[in-house]
Amino acid sequence: DTAVSQTPKYLVTQMGNDKSIKCEQNLGHDTMYWYKQDSKKFLKIMFSYNNKELIINETVPNRFSPKSPDKAHLNLHINSLELGDSAVYFCASSQGTTSGYYNEQFFGPGTRLTVL
Amino acid sequence: GESVGLHLPTLSVQEGDNSIINCAYSNSASDYFIWYKQESGKGPQFIIDIRSNMDKRQGQRVTVLLNKTVKHLSLQIAATQPGDSAVYFCAEKGGGGADGLTFGKGTHLIIQP
Repeated sequence: DTAVSQTPKYLVTQMGNDKSIKCEQNLGHDTMYWYKQDSKKFLKIMFSYNNKELIINETVPNRFSPKSPDKAHLNLHINSLELGDSAVYFCASSQGTTSGYYNEQFFGPGTRLTVL
Repeated sequence: GESVGLHLPTLSVQEGDNSIINCAYSNSASDYFIWYKQESGKGPQFIIDIRSNMDKRQGQRVTVLLNKTVKHLSLQIAATQPGDSAVYFCAEKGGGGADGLTFGKGTHLIIQP
């Protein structure tokens, strides 16, 4: 059984389009994240959600909006796609956000977004 | 800018040898440091973590060392195997309850037969 799943695995689209990437976790975790990995393999946190509340929002353009219909899902919606949005996007989940402890983050397989 | 970085982008070792992957960090407030492994076409996979009040932690074939004096983190892999070939990332988690990780740039470990 896949713990963290993402769809689609590959997404090719034109500049200016709006697209969504879906993420689901079956681990019962209450915190989910989105990371962006660029062509140089650099991973950067974009968002995290805990109990439907946004608790991290890095310097990400407001064209990106996370949407969480329930604890098991955190979808990423992107408006007006730009060339620079091309990257691999990873969803992750963990249990809790306890200060002073590390709760392992489990990553999905990634979605490779290519903007033409 | 990034607060976590790696000294070597690529490390090539013979199968069976030990590997050491290094990482420098700059955020003294981080309370946890974590190593992740990413195989080609897959998401990062947790290897081991270490709390900031420790200097060494061992797992199965892996050891993480933390030197807070020089803000240095290393991952030692004993008796490397072909399956160890991957990109290795160090990451840090800040205090205050936010679990978003700050990742380093990654080291590509290549195992030579």
